[in-house]
Amino acid sequence: DAGVTQSPTHLIKTRGQHVTLRCSPISGHKSVSWYQQVLGQGPQFIFQYYEKEERGRGNFPDRFSARQFPNYSSELNVNALLLGDSALYLCASSLASGTTYEQYFGPGTRLTVT
Amino acid sequence: GNSVTQMEGPVTLSEEAFLTINCTYTATGYPSLFWYVQYPGEGLQLLLKATKADDKGSNKGFEATYRKETTSFHLEKGSVQVSDSAVYFCALSDGGNQFYFGTGTSLTVIP
Repeated sequence: DAGVTQSPTHLIKTRGQHVTLRCSPISGHKSVSWYQQVLGQGPQFIFQYYEKEERGRGNFPDRFSARQFPNYSSELNVNALLLGDSALYLCASSLASGTTYEQYFGPGTRLTVT
Repeated sequence: GNSVTQMEGPVTLSEEAFLTINCTYTATGYPSLFWYVQYPGEGLQLLLKATKADDKGSNKGFEATYRKETTSFHLEKGSVQVSDSAVYFCALSDGGNQFYFGTGTSLTVIP
């Protein structure tokens, strides 16, 4: 069975630009979470979506937004990119909302902002 | 608020050595505790978990015991292998929708 997939693998953007990252969950999983992992740090929670609704939001500015589609895939959007947005963005899927359910992580998208 | 503090790395051990990676936490209520492992080029994988005080999580020879009195969840393995080389993250959940991760500890095992 396919695991969580993310695209693209790597991305280079310029300050002020916009970026869209994509995630496909494991088949049957209805919840997707997004995390930002800055080099040398642990993942920081950005969003969780379940059944197309936002169920949790971390301490990130409004430049960060996300959505979930009817097929449970998800997009993370970041506007007005800053150098500090350079990080590995991880997507995790789980059967349902809440941390009772094991989260399965994708390999991540490496975003570099120059 | 919720937070996790991990022992700083990197840690380098010889094969068959004993491993301890320290993890302490701050949380409101009664969190669940987790260890995740990240192998080079791969996503995080759940290694083990414990959901209440005095529970012991174990997997692949790794163990960790949820100690409420010391707010700790230290990871141990009796005999490490080269294949255990990875970054290890301690994490907690307060039952909500997010995990709180430590900064990670890089482990290198040399033959």
